[in-house]
Formats: sequence, structure tokens, C-alpha cells
Amino acid sequence: DIVMTQSPDSLAVSLGERATINCKSSPSVLYSSDNKNYLAWFQQRPGQPPKLLISWASTRESGVPDRFSGSGSGTDFTLTISSLQAEDVAVYYCQQYYSNPYTFGQGTKLEIK
Amino acid sequence: QVQLVESGGGVVQPGRSLRLSCAASGFSFSSYGMHWVRQAPGKGLEWVAVISSDGSDKYYADSVKGRFTISRDNSKSTLYLQMISLRAEDTAVYYCAKHQPMDYWGQGTLVTVSS
Repeated sequence: DIVMTQSPDSLAVSLGERATINCKSSPSVLYSSDNKNYLAWFQQRPGQPPKLLISWASTRESGVPDRFSGSGSGTDFTLTISSLQAEDVAVYYCQQYYSNPYTFGQGTKLEIK
Repeated sequence: QVQLVESGGGVVQPGRSLRLSCAASGFSFSSYGMHWVRQAPGKGLEWVAVISSDGSDKYYADSVKGRFTISRDNSKSTLYLQMISLRAEDTAVYYCAKHQPMDYWGQGTLVTVSS
């Protein structure tokens, strides 16, 4: 099974500041035949289902604000929120869809400082 | 617009069975693989099972293999999860989700396994 490990477990950032969440996979989720990273990021606000923010490690979904960006390749990935807004308070999960079981990271809780 | 509506959750005793449903609308259901994902109270997300668009391929998490069965009825645009031999650790909100990556999710249905 592919293990997904996020860091940190929780994070407090001031409004307007940058938030960075890391995700490491073991092993790699880069598929050599298409050179794509099978890695997604989700946002889960309290009491809500998860929402897909980013797929293929760096492709922002339609309607997702451009302050959200994803980067990385292979085994190391980052979700960056460039300027934190109050509505970004949530738990963020990375997930690999390279192979089943389609494992999630343990989640990172983002709060306002 | 895409809608996924889960139903069938409730309180059930350990060892009993339950069947969850997920009614889909707003997209061509028969063209997409579908997933069940669960979330225990206060915990993270756990992928449970996936089924291919035509129902021919199914995969399960080890934690539910042999106890849970995923199925679909494309004529009714509905996804199912049959759960038997339920355990306390199966207590969770169960979500259905479309495709891979999972681009749409339902609101979830709560399953509580307790005596």
C-alpha cells in the first residue's frame, strides 16, 4: 500500500499570510508512462463533505480560488494558500489515486492565528 | 448540476447488516467509476471501495474485504454498499464519490454500530 504522510498535523496562520502543507508518499505516485502525478488535495470544512481542490498534483479545479496552488512530483508535494482567508479554515487532505487502496493522508487542520 | 445523495444509514447492532444507497443525478452515471469513502467521528478519511463504470471491476480496503460489497444499478443511477457482520469500528459517516480523482461527493450518511 502507498502510505501518505502529511505535515504538520495542525497549522495556525494569520489572515493574509501564506499557509503551506506538505504531503509525502511512499512510494512514488508519478506514473512513468504518462508523466503524471496521481495526487489530489481536498478541503473539508466543518460539517461538510470533502471538496476537491487540486488534481494531478497541480491542476486547480474549476471555481477554486487562485490563492490555492499545488506543487511537487514523485514523492513530495505541497499545497500552498498564498493569502489566508477566514473561509479557508478547514482540514486539508492529500490522496493518491495511483493504485488501490486509494489512501489519504491523515489530514492537516488549518486555523487562524 | 451533479448531485449525490446517500441514504440507508442508521443505528445497527454489532454483527448485523445494512445497505447504503447513493442516488446520482446531473451526469452520465454509467460512464464513471464510483467510490465509497468513510470518516469515523473526529477522524480522517478512509477509502472503502471502488466500482468501475460497468460494474465489472471492484476493489476493497482490507478493513472491509469479505464483509462489504459494492454494486451499482446503472438503469437507476444508483450506487450501493452492502455491509454485513458490522463492527463498532465501522461506525462512520459514509460518503459516495464520483470518478478518480473524486470530483463530487455526497453529504454522507451516518452508520452507528452499537449494542
